[in-house]
Amino acid sequence: DAMVIQNPRYQVTQFGKPVTLSCSQTLNHNVMYWYQQKSSQAPKLLFHYYDKDFNNEADTPDNFQSRRPNTSFCFLDIRSPGLGDAAMYLCATSRDPPGMGRETQYFGPGTRLLVL
Amino acid sequence: DAKTTQPPSMDCAEGRAANLPCNHSTISGNEYVYWYRQIHSQGPQYIIHGLKNNETNEMASLIITEDRKSSTLILPHATLRDTAVYYCIVRVASTRGSQGNLIFGKGTKLSVKP
Repeated sequence: DAMVIQNPRYQVTQFGKPVTLSCSQTLNHNVMYWYQQKSSQAPKLLFHYYDKDFNNEADTPDNFQSRRPNTSFCFLDIRSPGLGDAAMYLCATSRDPPGMGRETQYFGPGTRLLVL
Repeated sequence: DAKTTQPPSMDCAEGRAANLPCNHSTISGNEYVYWYRQIHSQGPQYIIHGLKNNETNEMASLIITEDRKSSTLILPHATLRDTAVYYCIVRVASTRGSQGNLIFGKGTKLSVKP
């Protein structure tokens, strides 16, 4: 059974047109993360929510925003996608917040974003 | 920046043990060693983690040297489905700032061949 669900698996948007990627989880985990993974590169953390607390990475562009309306759902909003934002976007969850050093993160299958 | 060094690629014959090395010479006493893997076009998958002692689970074994400066992930009987990029990640147990985040390095691309 899928635990971290990302829809759609592939998303096409136009340059400058806002786009929202979705993530849901059935694990009832406290923490949800968004990573960006460009082609042939390692995943890079954009931000995470610990419950309702939003934690942005220092080098995440302002163009990227996130919302977490409830425990199960988290959204990634890209306000004005550029060609450089084409990537795989990965959602992950963990029961405990990052920094405890022991928690396991569970990843979804990712949404591949194409910007035309 | 990632605190680990891994070979960029390795090959392994199907059915044989795959031994993936990782160097983390600057590891601190409160840092864990984590291993994740990413099969093509999928999200990363947790494999195993450890602090000082060797660890084993249903997927793999983790051998950490006594000085903790390096470790080896062992897949005892590699199958074609184990072909993936394997990431060795060192992360601190701290709630301050981003210290506990997963920081992925380049990883090792393991190819299991028939």
